[in-house]
Amino acid sequence: ETGVTQSPTHLIKTRGQQVTLRCSSQSGHNTVSWYQQALGQGPQFIFQYYREEENGRGNFPPRFSGLQFPNYSSELNVNALELDDSALYLCASSLGDRGLNTEAFFGQGTRLTVV
Amino acid sequence: AQSVAQPEDQVNVAEGNPLTVKCTYSVSGNPYLFWYVQYPNRGLQFLLKYITGDNLVKGSYGFEAEFNKSQTSFHLKKPSALVSDSALYFCAVRGSFTGRRALTFGSGTRLQVQP
Repeated sequence: ETGVTQSPTHLIKTRGQQVTLRCSSQSGHNTVSWYQQALGQGPQFIFQYYREEENGRGNFPPRFSGLQFPNYSSELNVNALELDDSALYLCASSLGDRGLNTEAFFGQGTRLTVV
Repeated sequence: AQSVAQPEDQVNVAEGNPLTVKCTYSVSGNPYLFWYVQYPNRGLQFLLKYITGDNLVKGSYGFEAEFNKSQTSFHLKKPSALVSDSALYFCAVRGSFTGRRALTFGSGTRLQVQP
C-alpha cells in the first residue's frame, strides 16, 4: 500500500449535480496531483497542487477545481456533472521538492458514475 | 508536448517465458520515464523509473526496463513471467523542459500470463 487514501471509493451522482472527492497524501509528501482515468484509457492529468498552490493544470474545464490543505490533503470538486465525467479519479502524492524525476504514489481511486 | 505510445493493447505470454511490454515516448528535454502497474479496481502501483545513467533499470517484482535514447523507447521486461503478473501496465513520461510536473501516460497494455 502507498499510504495515499481516497474517499469515497465509489459514488453515483446525477447529471448536473456537484461532487467532492478527497485525498490524503502519503506522510511527508507536499505535492498532490489528480488524474481522470476513463474506461479503457490511461490516466489524464487534471491538476496539481504544491504547498497549497495550484502549479499545473491539464486540459480540463473550470468546473473541475481543487484545494490543498495545510496538512497537504486535497479535494477535487466537479460542478455541473456530465455523463462523460464518469471515470476513475486517481490522486497521487509526491515530494515536489525533489524535482521532476520523483515518482508519484497513487491512491486506489474513486469510481464516479454519473447517471 | 509530451506523449507516450504503447503499441500493443494486449500481450500474451506463457508462465516462465520472458515478457516484453513496449513503450515509446516523445518529450522536450531529458526524459524521466516511469512504469506503473494497475490491478483490477485498484490504483496505480509504481514499478520503476529511469532518470539518468545506466540504460537498464531494475525495479520491483523482478521487472526491469531498457532505455534506448536513439529509438526513444523504454520497454518493460521480465526474464520469467508469473501468472500473478497479469495486470494492466502503463508507461509514463515527464520532460525536463516542459516545466510541468504532470505525468503523461500511455493508453496501457494488458498483460495476460497463461499457466
